[in-house]
Amino acid sequence: DIQMTQSPSSLSASVGDRVTITCRASQSISSYLNWYQQKPGKAPKLLIYAASSLQSGVPSRFSGSGSGTDFTLTISSLQPEDFATYYCQQSYNNPPVWWTFGQGTKVEIK
Amino acid sequence: EVQLVQSGAEVKKPGESLKISCKGSGYSFTTYWIGWVRQMPGKGLEWMGIIYPGDSDTRYSPSFQGQVTISVDKSISTAYLQWSSLKASDTAMYYCARRVYSSGQIYIDYWGQGTLVTVSS
Repeated sequence: DIQMTQSPSSLSASVGDRVTITCRASQSISSYLNWYQQKPGKAPKLLIYAASSLQSGVPSRFSGSGSGTDFTLTISSLQPEDFATYYCQQSYNNPPVWWTFGQGTKVEIK
Repeated sequence: EVQLVQSGAEVKKPGESLKISCKGSGYSFTTYWIGWVRQMPGKGLEWMGIIYPGDSDTRYSPSFQGQVTISVDKSISTAYLQWSSLKASDTAMYYCARRVYSSGQIYIDYWGQGTLVTVSS
C-alpha cells in the first residue's frame, strides 16, 4: 500500500505568515496528489488537485507543488480563516487501496 | 448545484445493525464514483470503500472488507453504508464523497456533510 506522511503534524503561525506543509509518498504517485482543508465540525474541502491545480473558488494564496514522492502545500500569507487541519491525499488508484490520506497537519494561531 | 446530503446522526447499541445514506443531486448520479470515508473522534481520514452507481461495481479497503457493506439505489440517487453488527469502535463521523476523473486527474470535489454514528451500551 502507498503510505502518505505529512510534516509537521501541527504548527503555530501568525496572521500574515508564510506556511509550508509537506507530504511524502512511500512510492511515486506522479502528480496524483490532492490537498484538503478541514475545519472543526465540517467536511473536508478541496483546495488543490493534481499537485498544483487550484480548485475553483479557492484563494490564490494557496498553492501546491511537487511530483513523484515529495509535495508541498504553501499558504503565502496566512489569514484568520485558514486556521484548520490540512490533509494530503493520493489518488494514484493503486488497488486495492484507492485513496490514502496523510495524517493531517493542524495549523493553529500563534 | 451539486449536493451530497447524508442521513442524520445515529445512536446505537453494540450488536445492532445500521444503514446510513447519501443522496446525490444536481449531477448525473450514475456517472461518478461515490466513496465513503471514516473519521474517528479527533483522528484523520480513512478511505473505506467506493461504489460506481452506474453498475454497482464496489471496491473495499482491505481494512474495512467484511466489516461494512456499500450499496446503491440509483433510482433514487442514493448510496448506502451499512453494518450488520456495530461495535463501540465504529463510533465515528462518516462522510460520503464524489470522485472526479477529469483530464487524467482524480480527486474528490464534493463531500456530504457527514453522519455521526455513536455506538454505546
